[in-house]
This record gives sequence, C-alpha cells and structure tokens, in this order.
Amino acid sequence: QVQLVQSGAEVKKPGSSVKVSCKASGGSFSDYYINWVRQAPGQGPEWMGRIIPMVDTTNYAQKFQARVTITADKSTSTAYMELSSLRSEDTAVYYCAKERDDGVERMEFFDYWGQGTLVTVSS
Amino acid sequence: EIVLTQSPATLSLSPGERATLSCRASQSVHSYLAWYQQKPGQAPRLLIYDASNRATGIPARFSGSGSGTDFTLTISSLEPEDFAVYYCQQRANWPPLTFGGGSKVEMK
Repeated sequence: QVQLVQSGAEVKKPGSSVKVSCKASGGSFSDYYINWVRQAPGQGPEWMGRIIPMVDTTNYAQKFQARVTITADKSTSTAYMELSSLRSEDTAVYYCAKERDDGVERMEFFDYWGQGTLVTVSS
Repeated sequence: EIVLTQSPATLSLSPGERATLSCRASQSVHSYLAWYQQKPGQAPRLLIYDASNRATGIPARFSGSGSGTDFTLTISSLEPEDFAVYYCQQRANWPPLTFGGGSKVEMK
C-alpha cells in the first residue's frame, strides 16, 4: 500500500521560503510521478507542478514557475517542494499526490495523497 | 488554461436521495475528467477517472458520465458518509492541470 507522509506545519514571514517534504513508502518511488497541489482556505485545489523522479523531469504551472522548485531524492524516496518569496496569499494546505498508474496506463489523476502540510504566511 | 465550473455550489439533500452534480469545461476535455470527494481536514479522494470509471474501492452508487465539456457525477442514494465537497479535475490540456471550485453536498 502506497503511503505519502509529509512534513509538519510551518509558519513563515512574508518574503521568506518554505520547503515541504513528502516521503513515500509501499512501492517503487522511482516509478512514481509526484505532484504538488495546494488548497487555500475555503478554495478548490490548485496544481503547482510535478516531478518524475526516475528522470528528474519537472513540469510547473506558469503561475508558480518563477517561485517553486520541486526536487526528489531517490535514495530516501522523498520529494520536496520549495516555494520562495512567500506572501500572505500563499497561506494554504500543501499536498503531495501520486499519479494513478495501473501498470497499463498512467494518468494525471491522483490516487494517493499525503496528509497535507499547513503553511501559514504571516508577519 | 481550461476553466472548470461546478454547479450547484451547495446541494441540500437527505440520506437516501439522489445527488446530481455538474462540471462544465471552458473547452473540450474529451473524457479526461476526474471527480474527487473531500471531507473536512482530509485530502481529496479519487472517485471517478476518465469521466466514468470508478476508482479502486469506490461504491457502485457513485457514477460519472459526460464527455467534451459537460460532465455529471451522480450519487444514486446518499449515505451519511457521502456528505462532503466534490471537485472535478481535467488532464486533457496541461500544464496546468485544473480543478473546479467544488460542490458541497450537505444534509438537509
């Protein structure tokens, strides 16, 4: 059974950076496509980007392209999302999520999610 | 960027009733649409993928239909645990992958 466990809640000052981790277990990490999705209070989810650990390829939403970096450490089966130049509007729960792959087809829908990490940006 | 518009924003129903939720895309997403359920304090859970396929472990009372720009999630007979917020998501044209704004199914 795949499990994604994220790091704990963070409180950050405007202008600073935050780095959230997502440790995977229960499968082959290199085969996962790990995405990052955030959800502001009372809002729908918002996709930020993804990484393919096997080849270290990333894709980002244009909205976050200049401020987000997604990385992966295959040796520890952990993905990371770093968001810089934080502002109050970045206050949200940040999730990592794995793309669905049934061995026949992989698709950009998410069948396993981390528990979420609350990032609060406040002066 | 494909915009997904969900309606209604809130649906007030009783257990045993039928729920019908809508998701409309700003351009065709073919059948590349998923539905998720989210309860307070939890991550979203995948219910339906590619418009009409139930994900692993999802009860048969959940069904999805539609293609192109108009999609429907139907819960045939609401159970107490089905009261939650539901989101649609498209993968037809990305980046970015996009989600709808959600529909809340609340108990009447």
